[in-house]
Amino acid sequence: DAEITQSPRHKITETGRQVTLACHQTWNHNNMFWYRQDLGHGLRLIHYSYGVHDTNKGEVSDGYSVSRSNTEDLPLTLESAASSQTSVYFCASSFSVNEQFFGPGTRLTVL
Amino acid sequence: LAKTTQPISMDSYEGQEVNITCSHNNIATNDYITWYQQFPSQGPRFIIQGYKTKVTNEVASLFIPADRKSSTLSLPRVSLSDTAVYYCLVGENAGNMLTFGGGTRLMVKP
Repeated sequence: DAEITQSPRHKITETGRQVTLACHQTWNHNNMFWYRQDLGHGLRLIHYSYGVHDTNKGEVSDGYSVSRSNTEDLPLTLESAASSQTSVYFCASSFSVNEQFFGPGTRLTVL
Repeated sequence: LAKTTQPISMDSYEGQEVNITCSHNNIATNDYITWYQQFPSQGPRFIIQGYKTKVTNEVASLFIPADRKSSTLSLPRVSLSDTAVYYCLVGENAGNMLTFGGGTRLMVKP
């Protein structure tokens, strides 16, 4: 069955380190998204992509980057992790009509 | 993107019908209304989407009045497993960008 996966599911890192979170989908969706969700709050859009080699900034993109070299993957990189980036990160993909399919999430702790 | 307003929390009991209303006064002509459900420690899950009048699927119904400035998600005969956060979102289908607000935390009690 088609699915969307994220790895790692849990990550602890130190301030200043570079961290990459993986997102892989097998639906062949053109659209992929990264969100962060802080405890007790809704999701905020970090970056999104409408296709290979396309990337766009969301509302909270500072300190994050993405690259889209193929349809299936959209890795999220934290260039220099900060404690304020401690959060749960969700990846999503969609074909159209606002029906996004979300991954299981990655819980990132920056010490 | 149109801003949405929905209650922070709601309580209900098993077997009751639950109606969650969302206000979106600045909804644009091309905007659709979409509802997501999120359980703890999981990503949101699409429930239903509509443009006007009424939409029904196996999970819920969505009622949208003629002026489209609000919408109501109706969950029939809720069970304990419906305890979750429900998000109302408004946006164009073509854009595929969604802005999640704080959502409504529904607690279903036995």
